[in-house]
Amino acid sequence: GAVVSQHPSRVICKSGTSVKIECRSLDFQATTMFWYRQFPKQSLMLMATSNEGSKATYEQGVEKDKFLINHASLTLSTLTVTSAHPEDSSFYICSAPFMDGQETQYFGPGTRLLVL
Amino acid sequence: AQSVTQLDSHVSVSEGTPVLLRCNYSSSYSPSLFWYVQHPNKGLQLLLKYTSAATLVKGINGFEAEFKKSETSFHLTKPSAHMSDAAEYFCVVRRGLGGYNKLIFGAGTRLAVHP
Repeated sequence: GAVVSQHPSRVICKSGTSVKIECRSLDFQATTMFWYRQFPKQSLMLMATSNEGSKATYEQGVEKDKFLINHASLTLSTLTVTSAHPEDSSFYICSAPFMDGQETQYFGPGTRLLVL
Repeated sequence: AQSVTQLDSHVSVSEGTPVLLRCNYSSSYSPSLFWYVQHPNKGLQLLLKYTSAATLVKGINGFEAEFKKSETSFHLTKPSAHMSDAAEYFCVVRRGLGGYNKLIFGAGTRLAVHP
């Protein structure tokens, strides 16, 4: 199957700093990628849809200025958490649809963010 | 609108016994349905998917699920549980076939397998 990677896998930062998370489709191109957030022992919540060559679309309640998304190429999307606060600590997961005729979404391994 | 309900937040079984994880969906359109598994601190792995073909879907690791439109259900089963099956399982609905349609996740079911 298709492979999606994320970097870093884990990051600890101080409150007020910004953190960038990368999502890459390793062996296929993805004009669209999705970013999710997962709190401990909870389900995944879709944050935004990243679109190559255009602006991301955000889900209701997600702050665009806080969670900056850039889809730089057909294999790379980045999520930047700006001015991070402890409440932003979470598990961030990306996914990309693979054109296998059924457009199955493949997920990255996730990035655990801890804001001190 | 699409939604998915996983009827059990926790399921506990003994090794070697059958597994049943229940999922009901709601969709205004013909849905695509998926089961994903998440092991601790790991990414999500696709177990199986239904996309309007055969209603009985076989997946990896001996899991299978049956799409029942009349019952709006997509329950996940396995004849014999292994210790390695202990994980969090998510039932997911997607509107239609397109990969660009959003995925809606259920709340998850934590499966515990006892020796």
